[in-house]
Amino acid sequence: DAGVIQSPRHEVTEMGQEVTLRCKPISGHNSLFWYRQTMMRGLELLIYFNNNVPIDDSGMPEDRFSAKMPNASFSTLKIQPSEPRDSAVYFCASSPPQMGKNTIYFGEGSWLTVV
Amino acid sequence: KNQVEQSPQSLIILEGKNCTLQCNYTVSPFSNLRWYKQDTGRGPVSLTIMTFSENTKSNGRYTATLDADTKQSSLHITASQLSDSASYICVVSGLDAGKSTFGDGTTLTVKP
Repeated sequence: DAGVIQSPRHEVTEMGQEVTLRCKPISGHNSLFWYRQTMMRGLELLIYFNNNVPIDDSGMPEDRFSAKMPNASFSTLKIQPSEPRDSAVYFCASSPPQMGKNTIYFGEGSWLTVV
Repeated sequence: KNQVEQSPQSLIILEGKNCTLQCNYTVSPFSNLRWYKQDTGRGPVSLTIMTFSENTKSNGRYTATLDADTKQSSLHITASQLSDSASYICVVSGLDAGKSTFGDGTTLTVKP
């Protein structure tokens, strides 16, 4: 199994530019999560989907952030416009049904630097 | 407010030695507790997951324990190896299994 696939792995962009992060969950998983990790705040849940439907987006920092899951095999996290404080590692993760009893599998992360 | 506190913040041990990492939480109601290992520059990898009714779970040289009454968990690493050097993160979920509270992690360094 290929695991959770994220792209790009690394991105450096200028403040004000739009950033789109992409994620392909593990086939058969019906829950998808977007997390952000920084040294200051650790790992934070931004949003999670169940069966392609956003369930909780209370962790999304502000309106500049948006996430979509148009189908079971693809999700995007968009930041527009980007700011230096958005610099972080963004992880996508997925989980099979009954996530309360199952492992959440993380991708390798997208390392974002906004200058 | 739901909280997960891990101790120690960092730990250095010699290869071959055992160690125990601690996790205390205030999440209530409780659904499950997970331990993850995160190597530098990589995504977290699950080690164990325990629900309310489980008080111990092993994965090779890793053994996690859970005391749901005192809201405490520990991760014991036996016969440490250099490859065990990583950050170990405790994650606790409540009724909404999709929303988890993360600890800040314990950074373990294993030296030869």
